[in-house]
Amino acid sequence: QVQLVQSGAEVKRPGASVKISCKASEYTFTNYYRHWVRQAPGQGLEWMGIINPSAGSSSYSQKFQGRVTMTRDTSTSTVYMELSSLRSEDTAVYYCVRDSENYGMDVWGQGTTVTVSS
Amino acid sequence: QSVLTQPPSVSGAPGQRVTISCTGSRSNIGAGYDVHWYQQLPGTAPKLLIYGNSNRPSGVPDRFSASKSGTSASLAISGLQAEDEAEYYCQSYDSSLSGFYVFGTGTKVTVL
Repeated sequence: QVQLVQSGAEVKRPGASVKISCKASEYTFTNYYRHWVRQAPGQGLEWMGIINPSAGSSSYSQKFQGRVTMTRDTSTSTVYMELSSLRSEDTAVYYCVRDSENYGMDVWGQGTTVTVSS
Repeated sequence: QSVLTQPPSVSGAPGQRVTISCTGSRSNIGAGYDVHWYQQLPGTAPKLLIYGNSNRPSGVPDRFSASKSGTSASLAISGLQAEDEAEYYCQSYDSSLSGFYVFGTGTKVTVL
């Protein structure tokens, strides 16, 4: 069964950056795009961006353009999401999600809690 | 903010049928893009519930059904059970500048 395992919780100061990893258990790592989706406390789901693990190319929500960078390491089947210039409003659970094209976002990581506080 | 609008909450007694609407526009659902639905149980990651407007992944009970028409979609839960109490989100693709993949505002289903 495919799993996405994310790195652990982070506590950051305002203005800092955070980098979260997401390791896939599948051997066909490059066959599926990956989304990053976040959820602030008590709020809904918010799409941040998507990366093509094969090409390494990515597209981001306008809201996060300039602050987010998504990368991958094919040798370890891992994708990364780095968010910079953190503010308190970035406190949220961040999910790595597999995209199965017409089959939706079918595999979700367990989530990584990021807390931004001075 | 979300471009797909859902009712904040719906409720029903065990065994009843409830429906959740997901209202979009001509740049997302109305443009023909697929709608997917996710169920999020308290304290857990979302789970794919319906894909491609009306299809259930393996393991999802057939009391969950969904449809799409025009600029809207809907999810129905028949024979409501206590374990269905959760948050439900619709999701689609949007071709406007707001940014590609969009989620609904979310609906809390309460089993009375």
